Amino acid sequence: SAVISQKPSRDICQRGTSLTIQCQVDSQVTMMFWYRQQPGQSLTLIATANQGSEATYESGFVIDKFPISRPNLTFSTLTVSNMSPEDSSIYLCSVEGRLNTEAFFGQGTRLTVV
Amino acid sequence: ELKVEQNPLFLSMQEGKNYTIYCNYSTTSDRLYWYRQDPGKSLESLFVLLSNGAVKQEGRLMASLDTKARLSTLHITAAVHDLSATYFCAVDPSAGLGHDKIIFGKGTRLHILP
Repeated sequence: SAVISQKPSRDICQRGTSLTIQCQVDSQVTMMFWYRQQPGQSLTLIATANQGSEATYESGFVIDKFPISRPNLTFSTLTVSNMSPEDSSIYLCSVEGRLNTEAFFGQGTRLTVV
Repeated sequence: ELKVEQNPLFLSMQEGKNYTIYCNYSTTSDRLYWYRQDPGKSLESLFVLLSNGAVKQEGRLMASLDTKARLSTLHITAAVHDLSATYFCAVDPSAGLGHDKIIFGKGTRLHILP
């Protein structure tokens, strides 16, 4: 299985500020995925990040609000910009497994915006 | 648009009883996942089901997949309190090697009473 390290694990931020979440994988992967899990809800895909190209965003998510970087095959960042209390969620990164059939998740970043 | 529906969304059951969680999805898929999530934690992969008729078992949990009916089940046998968690099914609508985004059901919150 892939080992995914996500930082920070949690943070409390002031509204109007931005937070960058890092996701580091112990092996090279083609695609990395960023999900949001609002309190008591399921997971919603924010965007897919491929190395060397712009991220692909799902409906309802835009690059200005959630800019993503993917500088190499083992690392990605998600920034939550100009935060409001509605952005309080758990943000998770995900990667495919080596057999290309499994999907693994980082431990998540619990964000609270006050 | 792929939709994944789980039922029930909430289940309270006595220890020692058996029960089944159902997962229906709306389009063709080669991959179905079951995850467990404990409160405040990330997702733990339970099963990956890759073909019609696939059945996998781990301890008191057994998952099956019927791709023709677009239905997966997660069966709990002789439930114990430690199985209390939220269970998600998720579907990857891509075909072939490599995976695309994964669409999650809303989750089933399982509470097992001692």
